[in-house]
Amino acid sequence: DSGVTQTPKHLITATGQRVTLRCSPRSGDLSVYWYQQSLDQGLQFLIQYYNGEERAKGNILERFSAQQFPDLHSELNLSSLELGDSALYFCASSVGEYTEAFFGQGTRLTVV
Amino acid sequence: DAKTTQPNSMESNEEEPVHLPCNHSTISGTDYIHWYRQLPSQGPEYVIHGLTSNVNNRMASLAIAEDRKSSTLILHRATLRDAAVYYCILRVPSRGTYKYIFGTGTRLKVLA
Repeated sequence: DSGVTQTPKHLITATGQRVTLRCSPRSGDLSVYWYQQSLDQGLQFLIQYYNGEERAKGNILERFSAQQFPDLHSELNLSSLELGDSALYFCASSVGEYTEAFFGQGTRLTVV
Repeated sequence: DAKTTQPNSMESNEEEPVHLPCNHSTISGTDYIHWYRQLPSQGPEYVIHGLTSNVNNRMASLAIAEDRKSSTLILHRATLRDAAVYYCILRVPSRGTYKYIFGTGTRLKVLA
C-alpha cells in the first residue's frame, strides 16, 4: 500500500458525460501528479500540482482539468467524454516537487 | 522536442545483473532523468533519478553517460519480482514549469 488513495476504483459512464476522479496523497506529501494509461499503452503524464499550484503540464486535453485543494487532495475532471478516454488514471504524490513519487492503484474509467 | 528511446523488451536470468538502456539524445542541461517501473496489474513505482552523476539506491544504480545523451538502469541481481515494464523519463522545463516525457518502456522478463 503506497498510501495514495484514489476513488473510485472503477467508473463506467457514457460518452458526452463528465466525471471527477479523486486523489488523496500520502500524509505530508505536497505534490500530486496525474497520469493516463490507455489499454496496452504506456504512461502519459497529464499534470502536476505542488502545494496547490500547477507545476508541470503534459499533453492534457482541454476537456480535462485538475486542481489541488488546500487540504492537498486533488481532483481530475474529465468532460465531454469520448470512447478514447477509456483508460487507467493514476495519481501519484511526493513530498517535494522533485522527489520519489508514490502511485495509487488507479481509477479504471470505461466510457461506453 | 525531448524524447527517450528504449528497447521494447529484454530478458535476464535470475540472480544476474541487468542493464536497461535509454537514449535521450535531445536532452538539455537541466533535464533530469527518472526511472519508474510498473509491475503487472499495479501502479508505477519509483526506481531512481539523476542529473549528471551516477546514482545508487537500494533498488538500482543509474549510470549516466558523460554527454548525457544516454543512461543505463542497472539492476545488480535480477529477481523474479523485477519482471516489469521499466520507463525512462525526462523532466524538462516547459513554459515556466516542467513536463515529463515518457519513453515507451522496456518490458523486462526474468527467467528462473
